[in-house]
Amino acid sequence: GQNIDQPTEMTATEGAIVQINCTYQTSGFNGLFWYQQHAGEAPTFLSYNVLDGLEEKGRFSSFLSRSKGYSYLLLKELQMKDSASYLCAVGQAGTALIFGKGTTLSVSS
Amino acid sequence: DTAVSQTPKYLVTQMGNDKSIKCEQNLGHDTMYWYKQDSKKFLKIMFSYNNKELIINETVPNRFSPKSPDKAHLNLHINSLELGDSAVYFCASSAAGNTEAFFGQGTRLTVV
Repeated sequence: GQNIDQPTEMTATEGAIVQINCTYQTSGFNGLFWYQQHAGEAPTFLSYNVLDGLEEKGRFSSFLSRSKGYSYLLLKELQMKDSASYLCAVGQAGTALIFGKGTTLSVSS
Repeated sequence: DTAVSQTPKYLVTQMGNDKSIKCEQNLGHDTMYWYKQDSKKFLKIMFSYNNKELIINETVPNRFSPKSPDKAHLNLHINSLELGDSAVYFCASSAAGNTEAFFGQGTRLTVV
């Protein structure tokens, strides 16, 4: 089976940096995905890691350690529009993405 | 030019009714999914189809029946709706079973 854990809620202020952690236990691991979901909208893809290390994309970066079953999403220079849920998902060969329960991030001014 | 589109966006219906949600993707993907997102925002896989063939069927009541007439379409039919079926249902597609998935706008189903 799979187990994916991430914090339920986080708060931060505009301009700050926030790190959202995700730990997972799964068989047949085939990549770690991060999605962003604004209230009332569909999840949208942010990043994908399959090898250990850091992937940077503008203000967002994602890190993976396969040996530790650990990933994080780093958001820099936070903006109000970054208030959303952030979903960690694990890919497994031949099956669908399995999502964690999501972290709701609130950014205040 | 929407990549994954599902209809309707909102669906309000009475207990016991039968309803369908339609999904179409124009990305040329082979794999399509139905996910259910409950009130706590947990996104849970229900079904996965690859090239019209069912490959995943999670523990879902058999009142839910997916149908894929071709690889660009995956519809969801629900019989004898119950209050607990109220949720947002998302259709998604991907090029393969474990690559980036693209989501439709969601269908908010409310059973009264």
